[in-house]
Amino acid sequence: QKEVEQDPGPLSVPEGAIVSLNCTYSNSAFQYFMWYRQYSRKGPELLMYTYSSGNKEDGRFTAQVDKSSKYISLFIRDSQPSDSATYLCAIASGGGADGLTFGKGTHLIIQP
Amino acid sequence: NAGVMQNPRHLVRRRGQEARLRCSPMKGHSHVYWYRQLPEEGLKFMVYLQKENIIDESGMPKERFSAEFPKEGPSILRIQQVVRGDSAAYFCASSASAETQYFGPGTRLLVL
Repeated sequence: QKEVEQDPGPLSVPEGAIVSLNCTYSNSAFQYFMWYRQYSRKGPELLMYTYSSGNKEDGRFTAQVDKSSKYISLFIRDSQPSDSATYLCAIASGGGADGLTFGKGTHLIIQP
Repeated sequence: NAGVMQNPRHLVRRRGQEARLRCSPMKGHSHVYWYRQLPEEGLKFMVYLQKENIIDESGMPKERFSAEFPKEGPSILRIQQVVRGDSAAYFCASSASAETQYFGPGTRLLVL
């Protein structure tokens, strides 16, 4: 079983829709959860960082963590064509001071 | 406020040559991480360094790969005697103590 599972997509939705992206993980030692956005041939860009179960909101983005189910989600409201990218979940056991374990990424396409 | 800098952005090497990839962390960041992204694969952690110290190299291949972060100057990822399987995007990330990691634009290595 892989440490982090993430559906690679592609996920195609119309502009304005709510997008739900998800990852599952297997090791309960992981305590820190991040979402990165990566445009084609660019470096990953940090979107959200959280270390507790529950929701964290930042603008149109909401990160949700359920440690009991080992399930993390990213919601994007009012999706826009510029949101089209690959979204990577990342997890760590020691905050930023250790190597991150990434999912393979979900390729998201927002149709105008 | 410059972000993480990497150079070169693109590097072409023939089999058997050496590749040197450079990374300058964000100002004030003393933690550097290297990741590799193979085609159709997720980001994989390779090594975590602080100034003059390798903290975690659990993701580094045992042969041909080495990394350093000297007291002065950028962090270097060195690949000796490159093979075609080394063709990938190599990303550097940096963080302040126990904080989130910020990624550079990457170096795309092509081995002919």
